[in-house]
Amino acid sequence: DTAVSQTPKYLVTQMGNDKSIKCEQNLGHDTMYWYKQDSKKFLKIMFSYNNKELIINETVPNRFSPKSPDKAHLNLHINSLELGDSAVYFCASSQHTPTFGTSGGAVRETQYFGPGTRLLVL
Amino acid sequence: GQQVMQIPQYQHVQEGEDFTTYCNSSTTLSNIQWYKQRPGGHPVFLIQLVKSGEVKKQKRLTFQFGEAKKNSSLHITATQTTDVGTYFCGNQFYFGTGTSLTVIP
Repeated sequence: DTAVSQTPKYLVTQMGNDKSIKCEQNLGHDTMYWYKQDSKKFLKIMFSYNNKELIINETVPNRFSPKSPDKAHLNLHINSLELGDSAVYFCASSQHTPTFGTSGGAVRETQYFGPGTRLLVL
Repeated sequence: GQQVMQIPQYQHVQEGEDFTTYCNSSTTLSNIQWYKQRPGGHPVFLIQLVKSGEVKKQKRLTFQFGEAKKNSSLHITATQTTDVGTYFCGNQFYFGTGTSLTVIP
């Protein structure tokens, strides 16, 4: 059984369209994430949810709207797609949310990634 | 975001040569993790470092956490074609810029 699954795997669409990507995890984790990976391989955090509540929104355009109906699902809806939205979108989950340790900022949790959704906007 | 810098961005090596990638942060890190992403694949967790000066080994891979907990390195001894991929360090919610390794047979 796949621990973190995403659908669709590939998405080709025209500029201006609206599309959704779905993510599900069966690990019983509390926290889920969306990352965007561009052509240079940079992995950028977009959103993080903990138990259906938004905890990170990393200056993402408001055309992107995440929705978490329950803690096992985190979907990403994108309105008015632009050429620059072409990328690979990864969903991930972790047992807990990064929490602040005794020094040096939040303690990172181990993340489990889905296979990615390759979005191409024409 | 508190992104760590990672160098080099790309590295080509002959099979059998060693490889090292470095992560540097301007602030002290609570912990750091390393992930590997094979071409066409998704990032997979390799290891976590927590203690100052910590060194961990996984077969030919050696991971180090700096004494000041501001930098980390991943060293691969005698690279093989199976080592091909992009290696990321990560802290909090963020990843380093990644090092893409190509191994020439």
